[in-house]
Amino acid sequence: IVMTQTPFSLSVTPGQPASISCKSGRSLLHSDGKTYLYWYLQRPGQSPHLLIYEGSSRFSGVPDRFSGSGSGTDFTLKISRVEAEDVGVYYCMQALDVYSFGQGTRLEMK
Amino acid sequence: QVQLVESGGGLVHPGGSLRLTCEVSGFTFSHFYMSWIRQASGKGLEWIAYISSNDDAKYYSESVEGRFTISRDYGRNSLYLQMNNLGVEDTAVYYCARGVGLGHWGQGTLVTVSS
Repeated sequence: IVMTQTPFSLSVTPGQPASISCKSGRSLLHSDGKTYLYWYLQRPGQSPHLLIYEGSSRFSGVPDRFSGSGSGTDFTLKISRVEAEDVGVYYCMQALDVYSFGQGTRLEMK
Repeated sequence: QVQLVESGGGLVHPGGSLRLTCEVSGFTFSHFYMSWIRQASGKGLEWIAYISSNDDAKYYSESVEGRFTISRDYGRNSLYLQMNNLGVEDTAVYYCARGVGLGHWGQGTLVTVSS
């Protein structure tokens, strides 16, 4: 399943919102009712870590300024107020048919 | 706490082999799917293999199918990736990750394939 993220990069003023789009080649809704779409952040020099699972559920310890939404083939990650620690590359990933990642979206601070 | 520690990376010549290990702790290893993901320098993430919790299913990306083998040892709480016939395109940091949602990752181990 091809995953397509936009934009490729974005520059955000601290305290302002940010939004990243992810589109999948086919619906990520499984017959079990779950949507197998995940979001990760990879900070510079670090391993990726999970932010959002099953489309809209925040992983343990993830600040509530992060939210995931969407269904079917169109998904969005939103950061309500960007902070300095949010800098890095964001990836969406599908786990419906083995795994595949989007190409990544680099977030930097203005 | 949940920990995943990869090891076994290094420099290998094209056509060579390497075995990576991911030693885990802080959770019941037998309860979780496990995966290997790699990242070439400056590039994005590429999933390459996963193994089911009870070892009855293994899947590979097309890029490594037939050359790499994923396995696990419950007694040693360890996940492995046997890599054969390595090419320069396999140069990357290799991560192991836990669960269907890849909720926990190791720090990665660097594999460099070069003559």
